[in-house]
Amino acid sequence: EVQLVESGGGLVQPGGSLRLSCAASGFTFSDFWMSWVRQAPGKGLEWVGKIKKDGSEKYYVDSVKGRFTISRENDKNSLYLQMNSLRAEDTAVYYCARGGYNLLWGQGTQVTVSS
Amino acid sequence: QSALTQPASVSGSPGQTITISCTGTSSDVGGYKYVSWYQQHPGKAPKLMVYEVSIRPSGGSDRFSGSKSANTASLTISGLQPEDEADYYCSSYTSRNTLVFGGGTRVTVL
Repeated sequence: EVQLVESGGGLVQPGGSLRLSCAASGFTFSDFWMSWVRQAPGKGLEWVGKIKKDGSEKYYVDSVKGRFTISRENDKNSLYLQMNSLRAEDTAVYYCARGGYNLLWGQGTQVTVSS
Repeated sequence: QSALTQPASVSGSPGQTITISCTGTSSDVGGYKYVSWYQQHPGKAPKLMVYEVSIRPSGGSDRFSGSKSANTASLTISGLQPEDEADYYCSSYTSRNTLVFGGGTRVTVL
């Protein structure tokens, strides 16, 4: 069974940083692109970015380019999202997902950016 | 990266058939077969219901079917049931090698 467990969310001040982690199990992690998707309170889904199987290619939504970085450690079956220069509008539930366009989702972790 | 266009809400009675549309452009929906549909119940993570326009994941309900014509994809739910009441999102691969979602459709079972 595919399992994705996000962690690292919390409350952070504007301008601050946070690193999210996603622990994967139940599949061969290194065989799949991985993605991050977020959902602001009461809003729809927004794709954040994705990373290739070997980490050699990364793509981001324009609103997070230069601030967020996706990385992975295949030997640890782990995906990461480093978020810098956080803004109030980054407040959302952040989901880790298996795949680049056909997504299987974790349960999400809440990130709140507020002073 | 503009969101794909979905109706805000669709409703139907139990047993009826409803269809949700998802309109994009030739740079996303119209240009690729990588359109997916997700179901999301309140407070839960999204669940993949259809991928690559019309393929159901293993174990998925055959009451859910997908199709595409030009720049518009559609999700049809037949034999509507109370548990189908949820938010539904479409997504599409884009020419920029990114992913774009629709704004979401609230399905209400009357």
